[in-house]
Amino acid sequence: DAGVTQSPTHLIKTRGQQVTLRCSPKSGHDTVSWYQQALGQGPQFIFQYYEEEERQRGNFPDRFSGHQYPNYSSELNVNALLLGDSALYLCASSWGHLQETQYFGPGTRLLVL
Amino acid sequence: GQQLNQSPQSMFIQEGEDVSMNCTSSSIFNTWLWYKQDPGEGPVLLIALYKAGELTSNGRLTAQFGITRKDSFLNISASIPSDVGIYFCAGLETSGSRLTFGEGTQLTVNP
Repeated sequence: DAGVTQSPTHLIKTRGQQVTLRCSPKSGHDTVSWYQQALGQGPQFIFQYYEEEERQRGNFPDRFSGHQYPNYSSELNVNALLLGDSALYLCASSWGHLQETQYFGPGTRLLVL
Repeated sequence: GQQLNQSPQSMFIQEGEDVSMNCTSSSIFNTWLWYKQDPGEGPVLLIALYKAGELTSNGRLTAQFGITRKDSFLNISASIPSDVGIYFCAGLETSGSRLTFGEGTQLTVNP
């Protein structure tokens, strides 16, 4: 049983570019949450997707957008990249209302130059 | 938004010692969670607490949900080298959808 998988593992972009990060949830999970973790800090909630819709959103600008597919996999898109977007982006999956049992993927390390 | 204050930021201990770290919030949470994160990996859930006053153990780890629902602590007994990592507290909002994390406690265990 595969856990949460994310791709790519590492990514380097330049300011102004756009990036797409991908997440496949743990088998049996239907909800995907995305977090941004800056170096030396705890993860910050970006948004959550359930039934292909954004259910809740954290304090992130509209440059951050997402999508969930019918197979529950999800994408995180960031437009007009800024240096401050450099971080580890974590995906977490869970089933329905059981948000306390979120399983995290290994993350995608994004570096913006 | 809600913030969690986690302390200490870092700890350096000898193998075999006990460790204690805590988390406080300005807001109430319905659930408190403790995670461990190793380098290059995502956080892994250690303990979940669901009721005020609840004391829960997982092996050498013990955590408590504060009576006020605004704090929690984690104890690690008889530390071993593999306990090295970053420990995060997290609170789950009433809506149950969003986790708010503390800033982490970096634990170093000297053999």
